[in-house]
Amino acid sequence: EVQLVESGGGLVQPGGSLRLSCAASGFTFSSHAMSWVRQTPGKGLEWVSAISGSGGSTYHADSVKGRFTISRDNSMNTLYLQMNSLRAEDTAVYYCGKDRGSSSSWYDYWGQGTLVTVSS
Amino acid sequence: DIQMTQSPSSLSASVGDRVTITCRASQGISNSLAWYQQKPGKAPKLLLYTASRLESGVPSRFSGSGSGTDYTLTVSSLQPEDFATYYCQQYYGPARTFGQGTKVEIK
Repeated sequence: EVQLVESGGGLVQPGGSLRLSCAASGFTFSSHAMSWVRQTPGKGLEWVSAISGSGGSTYHADSVKGRFTISRDNSMNTLYLQMNSLRAEDTAVYYCGKDRGSSSSWYDYWGQGTLVTVSS
Repeated sequence: DIQMTQSPSSLSASVGDRVTITCRASQGISNSLAWYQQKPGKAPKLLLYTASRLESGVPSRFSGSGSGTDYTLTVSSLQPEDFATYYCQQYYGPARTFGQGTKVEIK
């Protein structure tokens, strides 16, 4: 059974940093691209970052470019999102999503989400 | 980046109604489109991919169509469990984008 479990969310002050993790199980982690998608309370879904199965290619939305970094440890079956210079508008539930394939595709599994609140 | 315009943003319908949601991409996306259903407090659930392919376990009352820039999700006969928010998502390029969502409410 595929499982994605996010952790690392919480309350952080503007300008602060946070690292999210997504522990994966039930599939060959290195064979699948992975992404982070966020959802502001009461609003829609926003794609944040994606990484190829090997980790060699990464992509970020313009809204987070230069502040967020996606990475993965295929030996630990874990996806990460390092978030720096956080702003109030980064407040959201952050989901990790598993791509069907090794590169850009649709998300066939999602985690339960972790809430990040940026506030003083 | 490719922009996705989804409509309507909300709709009211009754059980048994046929419902159609549309999604327009800012450029051709060669059927690289997925549809998701999301219920409050839950993660999105994949319904269809490659514009028209039904994910395993999803009821056949859900269907998708389209090509080029214009795509459609249809629910042939709305059931009580289908009241939710629906999103389209393009994956034509590495920078994925979602539509704004369509909330389907009970009339």
